[in-house]
Amino acid sequence: NAGVTQTPKFQVLKTGQSMTLQCAQDMNHEYMSWYRQDPGMGLRLIHYSVGAGITDQGEVPNGYNVSRSTTEDFPLRLLSAAPSQTSVYFCASSYSPGALTEAFFGQGTRLTVV
Amino acid sequence: GENVEQHPSTLSVQEGDSAVIKCTYSDSASNYFPWYKQELGKGPQLIIDIRSNVGEKKDQRIAVTLNKTAKHFSLHITETQPEDSAVYFCAASKGATDSWGKFQFGAGTQVVVTP
Repeated sequence: NAGVTQTPKFQVLKTGQSMTLQCAQDMNHEYMSWYRQDPGMGLRLIHYSVGAGITDQGEVPNGYNVSRSTTEDFPLRLLSAAPSQTSVYFCASSYSPGALTEAFFGQGTRLTVV
Repeated sequence: GENVEQHPSTLSVQEGDSAVIKCTYSDSASNYFPWYKQELGKGPQLIIDIRSNVGEKKDQRIAVTLNKTAKHFSLHITETQPEDSAVYFCAASKGATDSWGKFQFGAGTQVVVTP
């Protein structure tokens, strides 16, 4: 099993550009989420999904969109990139909503907005 | 909502010594407390977790303790080795239907083990 796969690993965007960060998992996990990691602030939840067709906002959702058309994929879209979105982004998945189980993280996408 | 505070932000230890990282949480309904280790350039990986019906859990050189009354939990690493150098995150979660799988993370502790 590959686990959680994120692409790309690195990306530089110009202010105002849009892009999609890809996330795929092959563990048949229902729950998937996106976090951003900034120095001194830990991991902050952007959006999450408890299953195909169901998404909801996390702690810092502004400027980001998500969709969940399949169990495997959970892409994160930046609509109009801003320098404040420079960060490392992690996608994570968990076995089952409501179950107290670990989250499996991807390797991360380091995004720089200039 | 839940707030998790983690201390210290950096921790330097000599190889073979013990390391302790402490976290406090605010929501008494939280009932799952995982610890993640993040090595440079990688995603966080679970190293140990504890549920609210347990006070202590050990796995070889690492242990976690939970004090529900005081709402704090700690990670203990004994006989530290250079490969323990990493950023460690604590987190809190609750299995309620309005919080499925959502974790509140601490800010992280950079642990450096010097030979």
